Amino acid sequence: GDSVTQMEGPVTLSEEAFLTINCTYTATGYPSLFWYVQYPGEGLQLLLKATKADDKGSNKGFEATYRKETTSFHLEKGSVQVSDSAVYFCALTPYYGNNRLAFGKGNQVVVIP
Amino acid sequence: DTEVTQTPKHLVMGMTNKKSLKCEQHMGHRAMYWYKQKAKKPPELMFVYSYEKLSINESVPSRFSPECPNSSLLNLHLHALQPEDSALYLCASSQVDATNEKLFFGSGTQLSVL
Repeated sequence: GDSVTQMEGPVTLSEEAFLTINCTYTATGYPSLFWYVQYPGEGLQLLLKATKADDKGSNKGFEATYRKETTSFHLEKGSVQVSDSAVYFCALTPYYGNNRLAFGKGNQVVVIP
Repeated sequence: DTEVTQTPKHLVMGMTNKKSLKCEQHMGHRAMYWYKQKAKKPPELMFVYSYEKLSINESVPSRFSPECPNSSLLNLHLHALQPEDSALYLCASSQVDATNEKLFFGSGTQLSVL
């Protein structure tokens, strides 16, 4: 079935550092790809999405590009802030049918001042 | 109003108790969802309601009983839970239950079963 793989382990970095979180997927057809963010004690919020190959999703300084050739959707931010500390989930929905998100395991990001 | 409101925020219950979780949205969404999230894990889909009808039950034990009394409300009735059911229960909604629709999540109910 469709699935998403995120890099293992938490990510700790200093304020203003460059952030990359890797995400690869396995799916039939052309899934839609998402990054959701979960701040401490809260539900998930959609950060960005892309619905077809070569699309770039962007929001709040974060970007991710839908790469069909490498089946990837890596999340990047050029200069992180302490307020970006959260858990980041990569997810996909299938090309058609129900809105059933397949989530990756998530990455805890900790930004230290 | 772009919020999904869940009550209560925290709930502690014994294994013989009956309790209910409540979820409300006023965005006119016709799809509503229950997810379960264990600590340091991604959310897992439990139920989907589409136009107030149950469309997906992901083989959830019968001690969890969902209800959608109208298009704005979603309840999850709990009875005879086990300690392993302790988790964050998230409600979500979307315009319709179709791929690519943005999900709006509530803040969740943190449930502890003693």
